[in-house]
Amino acid sequence: QVQLQESGPGLVKPSQTLSLTCSVSGGSISSAGHYWSWIRQHPGKGLEWIGYISYILYSGSTYYNPSLQSRVTISLDTSRHQFSLRLSSVTAADTAVYYCARELGLCSGGSCYRQYFFDQWGQGTLVTVSS
Amino acid sequence: QSALTQPASVSGSPGQSITISCTGTSSGVVDYNYISWYQQHPGKAPTLIIYEVSNRPSGVPDRFSGSKSGNTASLTISGLQAEDEADYYCSSHTSSNVVFGGGTRLTVL
Repeated sequence: QVQLQESGPGLVKPSQTLSLTCSVSGGSISSAGHYWSWIRQHPGKGLEWIGYISYILYSGSTYYNPSLQSRVTISLDTSRHQFSLRLSSVTAADTAVYYCARELGLCSGGSCYRQYFFDQWGQGTLVTVSS
Repeated sequence: QSALTQPASVSGSPGQSITISCTGTSSGVVDYNYISWYQQHPGKAPTLIIYEVSNRPSGVPDRFSGSKSGNTASLTISGLQAEDEADYYCSSHTSSNVVFGGGTRLTVL
């Protein structure tokens, strides 16, 4: 059973960069057809998908939510079994609980396809943006 | 405004059945068979309860079922239990983006 665990600062100052790491255990982070995602939830609100990274051809392939694309970077460290989120130029509107999650793809004939559901989630970490 | 619209709240008594709807507000959002549903208890991470419209992951009781008709997906919970009280989110995608509904608070009376 794959387990995910977020870590990082709980407080970030406005205009700075939010950095979080998700540690993956119980499975390989470089498996084909796995899309490692970040999702956030503003206090008392719904869920917002941030983006994913997938290990393809010895490197990471990413896709970001267009609404956040200009500020988001997701990276992969296979040696540490971790993937990370960087969100730049944060404001109070970025205060949220941040979750890492695994999206399972379907692989066939050497190609993998997303299935757009998240079967494993981390417990979440609250990040507050405040001076 | 979310691309998926859910009722803000629903309620039911133990043993009853309830249905939560999820309607696509953008063209193509609910066209594909990639509807999923998540349950979230207060202070906890969401957990997957339905994927690909009507499939249940291992361990999810068969009291939970999903369906889709046209542009609307539905989650039905039969035989309501106290532990079903939670927030429920539907999810789909537009192009490569994952989108979520605004969430529905289920109260078990």
